[in-house]
Amino acid sequence: DAKTTQPTSMDCAEGRAANLPCNHSTISGNEYVYWYRQIHSQGPQYIIHGLKNNETNEMASLIITEDRKSSTLILPHATLRDTAVYYCIVRGNRRNNAGNMLTFGGGTRLMVKP
Amino acid sequence: GAVVSQHPSWVICKSGTSVKIECRSLDFQATTMFWYRQFPKQSLMLMATSNEGSKATYEQGVEKDKFLINHASLTLSTLTVTSAHPEDSSFYICSARDMGARWDTQYFGPGTRLTVL
Repeated sequence: DAKTTQPTSMDCAEGRAANLPCNHSTISGNEYVYWYRQIHSQGPQYIIHGLKNNETNEMASLIITEDRKSSTLILPHATLRDTAVYYCIVRGNRRNNAGNMLTFGGGTRLMVKP
Repeated sequence: GAVVSQHPSWVICKSGTSVKIECRSLDFQATTMFWYRQFPKQSLMLMATSNEGSKATYEQGVEKDKFLINHASLTLSTLTVTSAHPEDSSFYICSARDMGARWDTQYFGPGTRLTVL
């Protein structure tokens, strides 16, 4: 799996958009970008994933650059409950591939402040 | 979304005893489950991949005889920490792959905090 690079920590004001960057310059053509987050003392929570098109769901938006070497997770209106460690992970997505493991890096610790 | 449960949520045991942790997929079938371990202020580290009806695959450095994994059904995997010692104290998290979903997505349990005295 391709390695990702994320800032160690970020702050965001409550109600503002939180933009979390991720670099994955060695991503291969069949690898997807996944985002998970982990609130303190809980298991990771799936947020969103994408291949090359921008994606949006009820939690967040994912913007992937045209060359796919980086992406940005956007939380449009951050709340205090969004304070967590956000992990950007690159992996394959073949349904019959048992090797599609998730490898967690250090992630970005997002602190949403009132 | 899919729900994965773990039991117990926390456990305290004496050194030398064995502890069993259960991981269940509540509303989907999971032929593959994963076990992770997380020490304080560190990221999740994959311990092993649990496959229904077959032996688990362990990551390098993880003792298979110490961390026994059983995946007897499509909704249940168990991790038994045998002869636990204080250095085994950690946050153990399981995840399950929802193979019935359109995308191969893993859903995580809430974790089990193990403290060995």
